Amino acid sequence: DAGVIQSPRHEVTEMGQEVTLRCKPISGHNSLFWYRQTMMRGLELLIYFNNNVPIDDSGMPEDRFSAKMPNASFSTLKIQPSEPRDSAVYFCASSLKGDEQYFGPGTRLTVT
Amino acid sequence: GEDVEQSLFLSVREGDSSVINCTYTDSSSTYLYWYKQEPGAGLQLLTYIFSNMDMKQDQRLTVLLNKKDKHLSLRIADTQTGDSAIYFCAQGSGGGADGLTFGKGTHLIIQP
Repeated sequence: DAGVIQSPRHEVTEMGQEVTLRCKPISGHNSLFWYRQTMMRGLELLIYFNNNVPIDDSGMPEDRFSAKMPNASFSTLKIQPSEPRDSAVYFCASSLKGDEQYFGPGTRLTVT
Repeated sequence: GEDVEQSLFLSVREGDSSVINCTYTDSSSTYLYWYKQEPGAGLQLLTYIFSNMDMKQDQRLTVLLNKKDKHLSLRIADTQTGDSAIYFCAQGSGGGADGLTFGKGTHLIIQP
């Protein structure tokens, strides 16, 4: 298996633009997580899904952030409009219930 | 709320033992984890311990859990240059099925 796949690996955009980050979990995994990593705040859980259903989105910073999981093999994290303080590395992780979480390589987002 | 604390840096000499410490607040945590992040990569699970255990050993890694003090440590014996990374402590309640709360990570620096 290729592991968790994230795209793009790097994204540079201007303030106000819409940004969409994509994640393909490991086949067969039924939980998917979105995390954000910054120097100041460390690694924060934004939202997670079990069986494509959002379970806890209390970590989503504000209404500009939204996440979807239309099927078991794909999820998106969207920021609209983006702001410079959204600059961070965004990780997607997946797991099979009761097992460890496998992280993707991350998307480094820079908002200018 | 849940919180996980770690020191930001640890410097050790190659061949010595490294001990990375962590304190957590959620006494209901069922699992406690150590993840490793190498530069430019996602997090990789190193080891985990159930809350009803005091110690777990896996080759060069030893995890100690003091549940009374909510203190977790990771000892790496015979530290090598390849161990240079950021080590994250994390707490969770549902194995891999729920989101994890991470510390900010400890940068392990290896001196020759």
